[in-house]
Amino acid sequence: DTAVSQTPKYLVTQMGNDKSIKCEQNLGHDTMYWYKQDSKKFLKIMFSYNNKELIINETVPNRFSPKSPDKAHLNLHINSLELGDSAVYFCASGGPGPGGTQYFGPGTRLLVL
Amino acid sequence: DQQVKQNSPSLSVQEGRISILNCDYTNSMFDYFLWYKKYPAEGPTFLISISSIKDKNEDGRFTVFLNKSAKHLSLHIVPSQPGDSAVYFCAALGGSNYKLTFGKGTLLTVNP
Repeated sequence: DTAVSQTPKYLVTQMGNDKSIKCEQNLGHDTMYWYKQDSKKFLKIMFSYNNKELIINETVPNRFSPKSPDKAHLNLHINSLELGDSAVYFCASGGPGPGGTQYFGPGTRLLVL
Repeated sequence: DQQVKQNSPSLSVQEGRISILNCDYTNSMFDYFLWYKKYPAEGPTFLISISSIKDKNEDGRFTVFLNKSAKHLSLHIVPSQPGDSAVYFCAALGGSNYKLTFGKGTLLTVNP
């Protein structure tokens, strides 16, 4: 039983294209997140949604648009992809209550050529 | 501005010995501290956490110590096993937007 799943696992695309990454969780959590792990290995939060409502937007370019159709799904759409967008994107759910435990998906490895 | 720092990019330990992973932070408003473990090509998995009002939390072979005055925490793994070989991320919860802030990670290698 996969708790947090992401598709696709790998994504190779050309600069300027638009792409989407999907995330689903079956843990019943109200809050979901997108994180980016860049080439320097820093894992940084991008967005957080609570019950379909955006609660954190960490100065991410507006080419990135999260969409939450329901509280079990949080998709990430990226317009006009740039070389610097190449990274691993992790979806997570859980928190931010006491303990803040978040459960992460396996990651989507995006390579922009 | 790195609020959570893991200054050792890697650590190598013999099986059966103690592994000590360190983490420093700068924001005294953090409420909780967590350790995550990450294997290659997988997402981070939660390992253990500690509230800022405690100084120690133990779970099996894993113990986290918090020294608030030094703004320092450490993860002890005893005894270390080869399956513990992974990247360990220290994370802190709190601050603006009450979010998780991660360190850069420490690659632990446990040699048989």
